[in-house]
Amino acid sequence: EVQLLESGGRLVQPGGSLRLSCTVSGFTFSDFSMSWVRQPPGKGLQWVSSISGTGGATYYADSVKGRLTISRDNSRNTLYLELHSLRVEDTALYYCVKDQKSGTYGAFEVWGQGTLVPVSS
Amino acid sequence: SYDLTQPSSVSVSPGQTARITCSGDLLAKVYSRWFQQKPGQAPVLVIYKDSERPSGIPERFSGSSSGTTVTLTISGAQVDDEADYYCYSATDNNLVFGGGTKLTVL
Repeated sequence: EVQLLESGGRLVQPGGSLRLSCTVSGFTFSDFSMSWVRQPPGKGLQWVSSISGTGGATYYADSVKGRLTISRDNSRNTLYLELHSLRVEDTALYYCVKDQKSGTYGAFEVWGQGTLVPVSS
Repeated sequence: SYDLTQPSSVSVSPGQTARITCSGDLLAKVYSRWFQQKPGQAPVLVIYKDSERPSGIPERFSGSSSGTTVTLTISGAQVDDEADYYCYSATDNNLVFGGGTKLTVL
């Protein structure tokens, strides 16, 4: 069974930094692109970032480019998201998402339960 | 960037057919997906490639496409189908979700 478990979310002050993790099991991690999608409280879904299976290619939404860094450690079956210069509008539940097929990105299939990042002073 | 437009809400009685539309220029060029999200839960994929149903998704869920509009149809909607539904599509570096539709079944 495919499982995705996010962690690392906590209250952060504006301008602060944070690193989120997503540990996976149940599939060959390095075969699939992975993504982060966020959901502000009471609002819709917003793609944030994706990374290829090897980690050699990364993609970012324009709204977060330059402030967020996606990475992965295939030996640890773990996906990461570093968030810098956080803003109040970055407050959201951050989901880790597995792609449905290898060789592409954005074909979202399985989602973790999310980790909450509140940004507030 | 592209936009995907969904109605904010749809309401049906149990046993009726619910149809949720999603419109956008992007949809004429690439496939769409639909996700179901129940309160306090993570999204679940219910349709991909416009009309394909993942294993484990009930047959009452179906999808269709025509031009710049895709439609999620729930035939014989059940109370358990009450949820928010999001359409989604992607091209190049544009990965876009619709604003979501709250389906009420009562």
